[in-house]
Amino acid sequence: GENVEQHPSTLSVQEGDSAVIKCTYSDSASNYFPWYKQELGKGPQLIIDIRSNVGEKKDQRIAVTLNKTAKHFSLHITETQPEDSAVYFCAATPSGYSTLTFGKGTMLLVSP
Amino acid sequence: KAGVTQTPRYLIKTRGQQVTLSCSPISGHRSVSWYQQTPGQGLQFLFEYFSETQRNKGNFPGRFSGRQFSNSRSEMNVSTLELGDSALYLCASTFGGPGELFFGEGSRLTVL
Repeated sequence: GENVEQHPSTLSVQEGDSAVIKCTYSDSASNYFPWYKQELGKGPQLIIDIRSNVGEKKDQRIAVTLNKTAKHFSLHITETQPEDSAVYFCAATPSGYSTLTFGKGTMLLVSP
Repeated sequence: KAGVTQTPRYLIKTRGQQVTLSCSPISGHRSVSWYQQTPGQGLQFLFEYFSETQRNKGNFPGRFSGRQFSNSRSEMNVSTLELGDSALYLCASTFGGPGELFFGEGSRLTVL
């Protein structure tokens, strides 16, 4: 089955800096790559996703890039703010949008 | 529009007991998925139900089961609880095709 590795496990940045989280996947058939943000006491919430026919997608301060050849994808957050502090999960799936394989998560801490 | 509702939010059980968790999806959503979240293993897919049928199943023992009713509400059951079943159980819903998974806030199970 699919295996997703996520790095780093923790990331501390200063407000206004950029943050990058990287994931690799194992199944070349994976074709959907969402990123979720989980705040304390809440369920994960989708922040951006990308499909395998696209190399990059941007939504305001958030962008995701996908390299299918190398089987890795990354989340980029620019101009970070304290409210960006949360745990971020990448995920991949080859077989259905509901059956996601998640990375272990990255705890992002943005200091004022 | 109401989100995904999970009950109960917190519960404590002892080893050997069984537990039933409930999930009410967003109105109109026909697919309900369940995930187990633990600090060590992260988010792991349990199963997905669509129109009262189990459509996908993760790699969990048979002690974990679920069902979906005609109104799309879903329940999951864990029998013969073990200490390692302590986790946050998350339910997510979607229309059933390509698209965002909407997660509830989870049911936190503690097994003593």
